[in-house]
Parts: sequence; C-alpha cells; structure tokens
Amino acid sequence: QITLKESGPTLVKPTQTLTLTCTFSGFSLTTSTVGVGWIRQPPGKALEWLALIYGDGDKHYSPSLKSRLTVTKDTSENQVVLTMTNMAPVDTATYYCAQSIRVVLAGSNWFDPWGQGTLVTVSS
Amino acid sequence: DIQMTQSPSTLSVSVGDRVTITCRASQSISGWVAWYQQKPGKAPKLLIYKASTLKSGVPSRFSGSGSGTEFTLTISSLQPDDFATYYCQQYNSFGQGTKLEIK
Repeated sequence: QITLKESGPTLVKPTQTLTLTCTFSGFSLTTSTVGVGWIRQPPGKALEWLALIYGDGDKHYSPSLKSRLTVTKDTSENQVVLTMTNMAPVDTATYYCAQSIRVVLAGSNWFDPWGQGTLVTVSS
Repeated sequence: DIQMTQSPSTLSVSVGDRVTITCRASQSISGWVAWYQQKPGKAPKLLIYKASTLKSGVPSRFSGSGSGTEFTLTISSLQPDDFATYYCQQYNSFGQGTKLEIK
C-alpha cells in the first residue's frame, strides 16, 4: 500500500520561507518513471501544480513559481522536501504531495495516490 | 506551456443523469490526460489516466475519451456519491474544475 503524508508549519509569516516534507511509504524513489509531485489548492479554488522530482533526480517546476521553489529528495528517508521562499498571503493554501507516474516518451504523468494535504496559512 | 481549459465550471444535475465534462488543451497532447474527483475537505482521487484507462476500483459508469486537444469525462448514470468537483490534468496543468451540484 502506497501512502504519502505532508508535514510542516501551519502558519507562516509574510516573507518567510516555507519548508514542507512529504514522507512516503510503499514505493522507492529510485527510477525515472516514479516521482513525487507537489500541488496546492487555495481555499475554494482550483488545483495548482507546483513541482515534481523523479527518482533519477529529474526536477520540474511551475514556470510562474520557479524562482521561489526548490524540491529535493532523501531516498534513504523516503522523503521529498519542498521549499518556497518569500511567502505571501496569496500562498495560503492546502499543499498536497502525490506519487507521480511518468510516461517518459510522452512527457506526461498522472498523480496517484495523494497525501491528505496540509493547510498553510500566511499571515502576520 | 500547455493550458487546460475545462468546461463547464458548474453543472446542475440529478441522480441518474448522464454527465459530460470537457477539457481542451492549448495544443495537441495526444492521449495524455488524467481525470480526478475531489470531495470537500478531501484530497483528489485519480479516476482515469491516459485519457481513457479507468483506474482499478473506479466504477465503470465513469469513462474518458478524446485525443489531440479535446477530452471528455463521462458519468453514464450519476449516483449520489458522484457529487463532487472534477479536474483534468496534463503534466503541469490542471483544468479549472467542474463542480457537480444537485439540481
């Protein structure tokens, strides 16, 4: 059984850096076709794709947020860490991590399963 | 980057209705679309991948079709448990979501 769980602060001040950890079990992050992605959802709004890292170290970032995001993996600990700098109130959202299965030649993927999500509020 | 445009944003439907949700890609993406169901306060769940492959355990009333730039999610006979918001996704783009409401 594959599970993922997000952890990190629930409240962040504007301009601070957010660090979220995704701890997973049931799979290994060691191949080019399996990865972990981060997706967020502001209250009442749609899903927004943030970042992806695959087992071969390949990383992908949202073009609009690329300058603020870093994703890393710790294979031995079965964890993926997302950092987002210069947080603002508009970044208030539920942040999800999810396993990504990639079809390499097609440049596409899907997310399954997802973690339960963690709500991060940005406020002074 | 490819943008996914989903319609409609809201659909008022009744139990037993046939429901169709459309997702259009800004450029051809062959058959690489996934569909998710999300209920309030819960994480999204994968329903369909590769445009038409039903995830194991998902009821057969759900189906997906399409290729190129136009894709559809169809629920053949809406059940009470299906009232939710549905999203399409291709790589780094999600659609805006379609919320199914009770008519």
